[in-house]
Amino acid sequence: RKEVEQDPGPFNVPEGATVAFNCTYSNSASQSFFWYRQDCRKEPKLLMSVYSSGNEDGRFTAQLNRASQYISLLIRDSKLSDSATYLCVVNYDQFYFGTGTSLTVIP
Amino acid sequence: GAVVSQHPSRVICKSGTSVKIECRSLDFQATTMFWYRQFPKQSLMLMATSNEGSKATYEQGVEKDKFLINHASLTLSTLTVTSAHPEDSSFYICSARKGALTEAFFGQGTRLTVV
Repeated sequence: RKEVEQDPGPFNVPEGATVAFNCTYSNSASQSFFWYRQDCRKEPKLLMSVYSSGNEDGRFTAQLNRASQYISLLIRDSKLSDSATYLCVVNYDQFYFGTGTSLTVIP
Repeated sequence: GAVVSQHPSRVICKSGTSVKIECRSLDFQATTMFWYRQFPKQSLMLMATSNEGSKATYEQGVEKDKFLINHASLTLSTLTVTSAHPEDSSFYICSARKGALTEAFFGQGTRLTVV
């Protein structure tokens, strides 16, 4: 069983749409959680950390449900520049990456 | 955010030669750095954990004699791909973090092509 399971997509959405990505993790001892964004042929860049209380940064909202071992990312009012692969990352003894979810925002 | 610099960004080498990739944390000290490999349309795969002043810890299936890791200082780790083969062609990325629970910062990656 994979440490982190993530729907690879692809998600193709029109500009202005709201899109949600989900991720589940297998180890209940996981200690910290993140969403990263990776553009084609580039390194991953931190989008946001994820906390149990939920956190929001502009159009992006991340949530963590420890009981269900589930992480989500919500993007509102999608922009063309949001097109990328979004990686769910879970940390306990090391960083475990999901396979990434590909998002394309269409004009 | 913190800065991690990786060099070179792109390298083409001949089969059988060795290639060294450097990873530097520019504005913080990293006792631990990580080396990943990413093939097209796949996720990052951890190759090894580089520990300052001690031997690297390799993931299962990664040949330690082929992928030599040296973490000589708190700001520099190097990965040397020895006797490179075309199947070693990939995107290699390093990362570092300030603390055990904090986010990781990634280098820009090195695209290795072995011909």
